[in-house]
Amino acid sequence: QKEVEQDPGPLSVPEGAIVSLNCTYSNSAFQYFMWYRQYSRKGPELLMYTYSSGNKEDGRFTAQVDKSSKYISLFIRDSQPSDSATYLCAMSVNSGYALNFGKGTSLLVTP
Amino acid sequence: EAGVAQSPRYKIIEKRQSVAFWCNPISGHATLYWYQQILGQGPKLLIQFQNNGVVDDSQLPKDRFSAERLKGVDSTLKIQPAKLEDSAVYLCASSLGVGEETQYFGPGTRLLVL
Repeated sequence: QKEVEQDPGPLSVPEGAIVSLNCTYSNSAFQYFMWYRQYSRKGPELLMYTYSSGNKEDGRFTAQVDKSSKYISLFIRDSQPSDSATYLCAMSVNSGYALNFGKGTSLLVTP
Repeated sequence: EAGVAQSPRYKIIEKRQSVAFWCNPISGHATLYWYQQILGQGPKLLIQFQNNGVVDDSQLPKDRFSAERLKGVDSTLKIQPAKLEDSAVYLCASSLGVGEETQYFGPGTRLLVL
């Protein structure tokens, strides 16, 4: 069993829809949870960062962490075609150390 | 602020040949990471440096992969000899230091081994 599981999709939604992306993990020692966005032929860029359990909101993006269920989510409100990309969840035991990534979910937002 | 620079962007080699990748991190970033991203997978850490010392190389296939970060700035990753399964994108990332959660990634080097 991989430490981080993520449905690769692809996920296709119409513009303006609410998008829900999620990951599950098995290592209860993970404390730092991140979502990265990766456009085609580019490196990943950090979208959201959360320490331990709870919610974090930044504009149209909301990240949720439920450590009791080992489940994290990313919500995108009012999705735009420019949000079309691969979304990678990542987590680590200690800040600044190796990130354990999911496979990534490919998202397509159609006009 | 300039981002993480990597070269070359693309490389095609035959199996058993050697190849080297170069990374220049963001100025002032003490920690440097090399990740391997196979098509359809998330990045996997190969090696992490703090300045010019190795923090974690537990997933580096040391029989064929080597990396160095002389003077604690630029880094090179070498594969010798390459295998077909080494075909992947090699991503370099940097952060201010251990304890800093934000890793900034470069564009990657796409390697195809034939």
